[in-house]
Amino acid sequence: NAGVTQTPKFRVLKTGQSMTLLCAQDMNHEYMYWYRQDPGMGLRLIHYSVGEGTTAKGEVPDGYNVSRLKKQNFLLGLESAAPSQTSVYFCASRGGETQYFGPGTRLLVL
Amino acid sequence: GNSVTQMEGPVTLSEEAFLTINCTYTATGYPSLFWYVQYPGEGLQLLLKATKADDKGSNKGFEATYRKETTSFHLEKGSVQVSDSAVYFCALERSGYSTLTFGKGTMLLVSP
Repeated sequence: NAGVTQTPKFRVLKTGQSMTLLCAQDMNHEYMYWYRQDPGMGLRLIHYSVGEGTTAKGEVPDGYNVSRLKKQNFLLGLESAAPSQTSVYFCASRGGETQYFGPGTRLLVL
Repeated sequence: GNSVTQMEGPVTLSEEAFLTINCTYTATGYPSLFWYVQYPGEGLQLLLKATKADDKGSNKGFEATYRKETTSFHLEKGSVQVSDSAVYFCALERSGYSTLTFGKGTMLLVSP
């Protein structure tokens, strides 16, 4: 039982490049989330999903897209990366009232 | 809208000292309240929670009581250890919703 895993752990992008962050969970949870964590800002919700095939916007969705084609996976895409998207990205899934977090992906956009 | 306000850190303590991290919230209705902890280099993990007024959440020696009259959920521990050094996040979830609103986090540093 791996819980929530994220791929990759670290990535460097140039401005304008695209990439996809993968989140996978093996707990059969319906709800999944993507957050970004920036110094002094806490965690801010980017997008979330309440089930396979559904997505919804969070607090800071601009510049990101998501897809939930399979229940266990939640993908976060950056179509054209900007330096303002340099951050640590966390995925989470929800079981009961508890959110279970992955280890994070550190993204640097130059 | 919903918001969570935590005391700014870092909070620096010596081992065995008493810890309080203040958390107040603004929300419609009666939210559930949480404390999450983030150890260096890791994701967040649930520390404790309370779902209604006057509930006390507790775990690993940490406690927090849901105070509706003061809209607070302060985190306390009677005797901290070096291993408690981490960032602590207070969060709320509105009833009927599935998303969390986090505070900005409070770093705790415990020295031997």
